[in-house]
Amino acid sequence: QKEVEQNSGPLSVPEGAIASLNCTYSDRGSQSFFWYRQYSGKSPELIMFIYSNGDKEDGRFTAQLNKASQYVSLLIRDSQPSDSATYLCAVNQTSYDKVIFGPGTSLSVIP
Amino acid sequence: DVKVTQSSRYLVKRTGEKVFLECVQDMDHENMFWYRQDPGLGLRLIYFSYDVKMKEKGDIPEGYSVSREKKERFSLILESASTNQTSMYLCASSLLAAPNTGELFFGEGSRLTVL
Repeated sequence: QKEVEQNSGPLSVPEGAIASLNCTYSDRGSQSFFWYRQYSGKSPELIMFIYSNGDKEDGRFTAQLNKASQYVSLLIRDSQPSDSATYLCAVNQTSYDKVIFGPGTSLSVIP
Repeated sequence: DVKVTQSSRYLVKRTGEKVFLECVQDMDHENMFWYRQDPGLGLRLIYFSYDVKMKEKGDIPEGYSVSREKKERFSLILESASTNQTSMYLCASSLLAAPNTGELFFGEGSRLTVL
């Protein structure tokens, strides 16, 4: 079993719709969770982090964490073509101080 | 503005050559990481370091070594490059204390081709 899993996509949504990106992780000791956005040919950049169960909102982005289900998601409201990128879920395995990434989900927002 | 700088954006090397990839950060971060990124496999952790002269193996350390002589500099070494090490290499840094450990700042990447 992979440590961090994501649907590889590609996920296509129309402009203005809600994009939903999902991630599951295997290490129950994980404490902190991150979403990175990576444009083609560029390095990943951090867009959201969440440490506690529940929702965390930042502008058009909402991160959701359910530690019991070992599940974290990212919602992008009012999707824009500029949101087209690969979204990487990352988990800090605190017991090992390692940061492990999922394979990423490719999102395409269609004008 | 925070910055992680990787010395080479593109390298072409021959099988068996020794390869050095350099990374420097100016944020006084304790943690530094080396990942490789391959299509379909995502980012895989090679080595990381949380202090000068300290190093920890990641998930795929075989064929690689690292050096951290100064806090701001973390080098990845391929002792004898092989074609399966052709990849994009990404350096990152973060603060030491969890949960900040996962808030990584990445360099622009070094694309290595081994012929």
